[in-house]
Amino acid sequence: EVQLVESGGGLVQPGGSLRLSCAASGFTFSDAWMSWVRQTPGKGLEWVGRIKSKIDDGTTDYAAPVKGRFAISRDDSRNTVYLQMNTLKTEDTAVYYCAREARDCSRSTCYWITYDKWGQGTLVTVSS
Amino acid sequence: DIQMTQSPSSLSASVGDRVTITCQASQDITNYLNWYQQKPGKAPKLLIFDASILETGVPSRFSGSGSVTDFTFTISNLQPEDIATYYCQQCDEIPYTFGQGTKLEIK
Repeated sequence: EVQLVESGGGLVQPGGSLRLSCAASGFTFSDAWMSWVRQTPGKGLEWVGRIKSKIDDGTTDYAAPVKGRFAISRDDSRNTVYLQMNTLKTEDTAVYYCAREARDCSRSTCYWITYDKWGQGTLVTVSS
Repeated sequence: DIQMTQSPSSLSASVGDRVTITCQASQDITNYLNWYQQKPGKAPKLLIFDASILETGVPSRFSGSGSVTDFTFTISNLQPEDIATYYCQQCDEIPYTFGQGTKLEIK
């Protein structure tokens, strides 16, 4: 069974840092592209960033509001993706989800599917 | 960024009804459109990808159609367990963007 389990959320002051982790199991993690998506009541679902698999060059991309402050990395030996969040702002308060992009060949045709699996989410609160 | 305009923002329907939600992209996204269901306190669940392909295990009363900029999501024969918020999402280019959601209630 595919599972994604986030951890590391909590309360942090503005300007502070936090690192989220997402532990994966049940699939070949090294083949997957992994993303972070956040959700707030006011702004809905917002894409944060993505890291490709190492075989697909392992590069990262970020949404404009977090570029330069957030960094995504992966450790394929631990089947884990990380979100390092620095210089946090109150508007970064959200539930953060990790999600998978991967090739699915369970049907007669293979498909590249974006976000077929999500973690349960972890709450980050930025407040003084 | 590609803007996704989803409507309606909320709707109320009866068990057994046919329900339709629309999503419009601000530019051509071919068929790179997903539909998700989200229940309170839970992560989004993928229902449909590539505009019309049903994810494994999803009931056949859910369907999707459309291409380019205009997309439709339909629930035929609405069931009580379908109470949720539904989102569209374009995955044609980053940043992947979501519609604002449609909150579905049962009359």
